[in-house]
Amino acid sequence: AQTVTQSQPEMSVQEAETVTLSCTYDTSESDYYLFWYKQPPSRQMILVIRQEAYKQQNATENRFSVNFQKAAKSFSLKISDSQLGDAAMYFCAYRSRGAQKLVFGQGTRLTINP
Amino acid sequence: ETGVTQTPRHLVMGMTNKKSLKCEQHLGHNAMYWYKQSAKKPLELMFVYSLEERVENNSVPSRFSPECPNSSHLFLHLHTLQPEDSALYLCASSQDQGGEEYNEQFFGPGTRLTVL
Repeated sequence: AQTVTQSQPEMSVQEAETVTLSCTYDTSESDYYLFWYKQPPSRQMILVIRQEAYKQQNATENRFSVNFQKAAKSFSLKISDSQLGDAAMYFCAYRSRGAQKLVFGQGTRLTINP
Repeated sequence: ETGVTQTPRHLVMGMTNKKSLKCEQHLGHNAMYWYKQSAKKPLELMFVYSLEERVENNSVPSRFSPECPNSSHLFLHLHTLQPEDSALYLCASSQDQGGEEYNEQFFGPGTRLTVL
């Protein structure tokens, strides 16, 4: 079975600085998707960024980018120019290609200091 | 209403009560999900419905009973729950394209359940 591990329960960063959230996963599959979801306090979980395992190029969405290291089974999220609105729980998730089930990590609570 | 809505947002119930959680999606999707989010634990997938048929049941106790009357509505019927069932219950939906391509799951705001 696949597992996802986020080793940082909490992180904090100064506004306008850059922060990197870590995620590792375990799988025997070669084709899958990886995701970062954001869950603001008392608000809905939304997708931040996704990565297809067969793509070597790291995904980027505005200030959010990933460092996908397939051999190391690592999938970190970098947030540049952090903003107060980035404060949230961030979840890393895995999905096998052809499956509907998302496997989530434990989450990292990100605090932005003004 | 847009996206995925859930009612009620908060629920407090005793162990002998029977209650239901409701989820409605306004996105035209054909798959719906129930997740359980407990403190300091990863989100756990409970049930998946695709085209109104249950396609996954992740060893969930029978005190949780899902119902999907149509592609837009999903219920979670609760009875004789335990205090350890207190959690945030999230509903999600997606467009199931036969499992071959990426299908983003859109989440509702959740129901915060407290079992006394």
